[in-house]
Amino acid sequence: AIQMTQSPSSLSASVGDRVTITCRASQGINKDLGWYQQKPGKAPKLLIYAASSLESGVPSRFSGSGSGTDFTLTISSLQSDDFATYYCLQDYSYPWTFGQGTKVEIK
Amino acid sequence: EVQLVESGGGLVQPGGSLRLSCAASGFTVSSNYMSWVRQAPGKGLEWVSVIYSGGSTYYADSVKGRFTISRDNSRNTLYLQMNSLRTEDTAVYYCARLVSYVTTKYFQHWGQGTLVTVSS
Repeated sequence: AIQMTQSPSSLSASVGDRVTITCRASQGINKDLGWYQQKPGKAPKLLIYAASSLESGVPSRFSGSGSGTDFTLTISSLQSDDFATYYCLQDYSYPWTFGQGTKVEIK
Repeated sequence: EVQLVESGGGLVQPGGSLRLSCAASGFTVSSNYMSWVRQAPGKGLEWVSVIYSGGSTYYADSVKGRFTISRDNSRNTLYLQMNSLRTEDTAVYYCARLVSYVTTKYFQHWGQGTLVTVSS
């Protein structure tokens, strides 16, 4: 199975900060990767698909990049609504695998 | 409007069985990729299973041979039959509708989740 290593596991940031989360795949996955946001007690929400395509309705401060094994989710200017846990997910090969998550907390 | 409503969760003893349902509205289940994802208490997300519009199915290694994904086209409903349940299957189970884009598939719509607790 492809392992997805996400870092950091948590971070503290302030409103307005630029935040970067990375996901590294144990083997190449082309651009078959999505990013999801989850708030406590809620279902995940799609942010980015195909590594860099912004889902409709998602604020443009979210962006994704990468291909192959290294991927990045960037929040250009952190807003109060962005404090949540973020997950990457590869669907290149079965079994599909999530990263372990990155919890973004208020500094 | 797309809606997914899970049901069927509850408390079950180890070794027992449970069937989860995911009632869909606003789209046709049989024409879409549908999947189950779970989340153990305080833990991260774990992909469980997917069913293609053509009927092909795939499973996580942790549930292969014990869980079966299926759908009822007349009811527009997705199911997850869970047998030989273990304490480590305790989780909130989410169903999701996937969209296929080029070579990738992404989880565009999610249900609210249903809690399965496996305990004696």
